[in-house]
Amino acid sequence: EAGVVQSPRYKIIEKKQPVAFWCNPISGHNTLYWYRQNLGQGPELLIRYENEEAVDDSQLPKDRFSAERLKGVDSTLKIQPAELGDSAVYLCASSLSQGDGYTFGSGTRLTVV
Amino acid sequence: GQNIDQPTEMTATEGAIVQINCTYQTSGFNGLFWYQQHAGEAPTFLSYNVLDGLEEKGRFSSFLSRSKGYSYLLLKELQMKDSASYLCAVRDSGGYQKVTFGTGTKLQVIP
Repeated sequence: EAGVVQSPRYKIIEKKQPVAFWCNPISGHNTLYWYRQNLGQGPELLIRYENEEAVDDSQLPKDRFSAERLKGVDSTLKIQPAELGDSAVYLCASSLSQGDGYTFGSGTRLTVV
Repeated sequence: GQNIDQPTEMTATEGAIVQINCTYQTSGFNGLFWYQQHAGEAPTFLSYNVLDGLEEKGRFSSFLSRSKGYSYLLLKELQMKDSASYLCAVRDSGGYQKVTFGTGTKLQVIP
């Protein structure tokens, strides 16, 4: 069984440019999460989906960040425009339900220069 | 809100036992997770506790005391490959059932 698949693995962009990250969760996992992890810190939740519905986006900086999970399967996280402080690892995770442990993808390491 | 506290770093010897503590404060508690994260890799799920007591899983065990807001992860028969960061994460009982991660404990296993 394939795990959570994320792409790209690495991304370097100039500030003010847009960037998008893609995630394909484990088949059958209804719950999908996007987390951001800064160096030496724990992951911080950006948004959680139950199927195609965003049920917790309270920590998503909505002025520049957006996300979608149109068919309740794969998901895209976008930043436009990117700022220097957005440099981090963006992790996607999925679970069967809210009560289960998460399976994380390998992450996208974003560097904004 | 939630506040999670873990030691920043620990060092232990191969073959020994190490205990990584986690204390938390939350307005409502609905479970505690432990994750392992090797450098440059994604976190992997280790354990989940929602009731008081000890959960054993091979060389790893996790303990929870809800009344004390305290958990620990116990690693036995340490191996070099256990060198990693160990993240404690707490789920609250609010409408969002939000899971908040601690900053992690970086464990170095030495020969």
